[in-house]
Amino acid sequence: DAGVTQSPTHLIKTRGQQVTLRCSPKSGHDTVSWYQQALGQGPQFIFQYYEEEERQRGNFPDRFSGHQFPNYSSELNVNALLLGDSALYLCASSLPRRSNTEAFFGQGTRLTVV
Amino acid sequence: DAKTTQPTSMDCAEGRAANLPCNHSTISGNEYVYWYRQIHSQGPQYIIHGLKNNETNEMASLIITEDRKSSTLILPHATLRDTAVYYCIVRDLYAGGTSYGKLTFGQGTILTVHP
Repeated sequence: DAGVTQSPTHLIKTRGQQVTLRCSPKSGHDTVSWYQQALGQGPQFIFQYYEEEERQRGNFPDRFSGHQFPNYSSELNVNALLLGDSALYLCASSLPRRSNTEAFFGQGTRLTVV
Repeated sequence: DAKTTQPTSMDCAEGRAANLPCNHSTISGNEYVYWYRQIHSQGPQYIIHGLKNNETNEMASLIITEDRKSSTLILPHATLRDTAVYYCIVRDLYAGGTSYGKLTFGQGTILTVHP
């Protein structure tokens, strides 16, 4: 089992550009969540996707958008990048039907905006 | 989501038990206590979770007080590889029409295990 895989592992973008990050959930998981982790901080919830719809959203502007595909994989898109968007972006997957299931995290994508 | 309070940092000698406390005085009846840890620059790793009974798995034990206002994560025999940031999270289970809730991370406790 490959677990949660994210790509790319590292990325450098220029202010104002757009970026797409990708996530493949753990086998059998159909819910994907995205988190942003700034240096020295805990991860912050961006949004969650289930059945190809956004189900929950954290306090992030609509420059942050996402998508979930029929195979449960997901993308995170960030438009009009700001220097403050530099962070580790984490994807987590889980099963929604069990009330106390744990979420499994990928290793993250390190985004640097210059 | 209920807020958690953890010490900023703790030290532990290798081979000794590491006891990491967490306060969650505003926890509600359907919220679980989850513990994750994050080793430098890696994704968070699930450790254990519980509702009101004490729990044990191959990694750790979780002790939850009877009033559920606090808990303690116990690593019985800490090793150097247990050096990490440990996050105590109270999880909102029912949100967005699914039985899965977001994880609200705080600052966590930096545990350093010394030789």
